[in-house]
Amino acid sequence: DVKVTQSSRYLVKRTGEKVFLECVQDMDHENMFWYRQDPGLGLRLIYFSYDVKMKEKGDIPEGYSVSREKKERFSLILESASTNQTSMYLCASSLSGGGNTIYFGEGSWLTVV
Amino acid sequence: AQSVAQPEDQVNVAEGNPLTVKCTYSVSGNPYLFWYVQYPNRGLQFLLKYITGDNLVKGSYGFEAEFNKSQTSFHLKKPSALVSDSALYFCAVRERPGYSTLTFGKGTMLLVSP
Repeated sequence: DVKVTQSSRYLVKRTGEKVFLECVQDMDHENMFWYRQDPGLGLRLIYFSYDVKMKEKGDIPEGYSVSREKKERFSLILESASTNQTSMYLCASSLSGGGNTIYFGEGSWLTVV
Repeated sequence: AQSVAQPEDQVNVAEGNPLTVKCTYSVSGNPYLFWYVQYPNRGLQFLLKYITGDNLVKGSYGFEAEFNKSQTSFHLKKPSALVSDSALYFCAVRERPGYSTLTFGKGTMLLVSP
């Protein structure tokens, strides 16, 4: 089975802190994604990566950056956390190609106080 | 641009009755369509997908979905609901071959009463 592991399930950070959310997948997938989930808004794509060191902005990239130095690892960075970034963050991965399934991690609940 | 609409925020059904969760989509070409389920405080689990071929797609846990190109719909169905099916369901679309990202609907909460 595909496993996407998000290292932190629950985090509480202070406004202005730099926050790292880490994600690792074990299936040699080319694509990795970071989504944000908020009630009533569904899932919104923050960034995705289709190869090592490659990234593309999604629908809501403002206030976020990403890093993909190794194929299996995709990090989401909040340079200066703000309270409006309190949310559930979901990492996902897939093989390249339109018909391939995207597999999700368990999510990271981030609260910024 | 691709988009998905789930017109119902919540669907209520009694255990043992059939259930339908609605989804309509908008793409400029041929769609790839997906359904995911999310249990409380968990990530999304893949249920089924339509890529090509038979319009009726069968997936996990007894769920199925019917692709209707003329109505641009991909409704999720199950003949007999279980209380354990209560969860948040997301429909998603990917517009064209090689385009990797999915666009999700806002989700529909399914509540199955005993």
